[in-house]
Amino acid sequence: EVQLVESGGGLVQPGRSMKLSCAASGFTFNNYDMAWVCQAPKKGLEWVATISYDGSSTYYRDSVKGRFTISRDNAKSTLYLQMDSLRSEDTATYYCARIRTTVATDYFDYWGQGVMVTVSS
Amino acid sequence: DIQMTQSPSSLPASLGERVTISCRASQGISNNLNWYQQKPDGTIKPLIYYTSNLQSGVPSRFSGSGSGTDYSLTISSLEPEDFAMYYCQQDASFPYTFGAGTKLELK
Repeated sequence: EVQLVESGGGLVQPGRSMKLSCAASGFTFNNYDMAWVCQAPKKGLEWVATISYDGSSTYYRDSVKGRFTISRDNAKSTLYLQMDSLRSEDTATYYCARIRTTVATDYFDYWGQGVMVTVSS
Repeated sequence: DIQMTQSPSSLPASLGERVTISCRASQGISNNLNWYQQKPDGTIKPLIYYTSNLQSGVPSRFSGSGSGTDYSLTISSLEPEDFAMYYCQQDASFPYTFGAGTKLELK
């Protein structure tokens, strides 16, 4: 059974840092691209970042470029999101998602339960 | 960025009813359109990928169609577990973008 379990969230002050982790199990982690998707309170889903299966390629939404870093440790089957210079608008539930890649498309085929990050003084 | 406009934002419906949710992209996305369901506890699962492909384990009452900029998700006969939020998402280009969501509610 595929499982994605996020951790590391909580309350953090503006300008500070936080690192999220996502422990993966039930599949061969290093065969899949992975992503973080967030959801602000009472709002919709927003893609944050994607990392390739081997970590060689990363992609970010503009609002987090230069502040967030997605990474992975394939030996530990763990995905990370380092979030620096946090802003109040980063307050959201952050979901870890596995990406299924087909010939024609990529989509998020498994999601974690999410971890809440609150940026506030 | 490709903007995804989803409608309606709220959809009251009855058990057994057939419903359709629409999603329009701000530019052509070549069928790179996926649909997700989010339950009130936050659980998210894929329903349809690449416009019309049913994700494994998803009931056949769910179907997707469309092309170019216009896409839709149809539920042929609503079951109690279908009342949830639905989101479309394009993967034609980065940044991947989602529609604002449709809340399917019991009438």
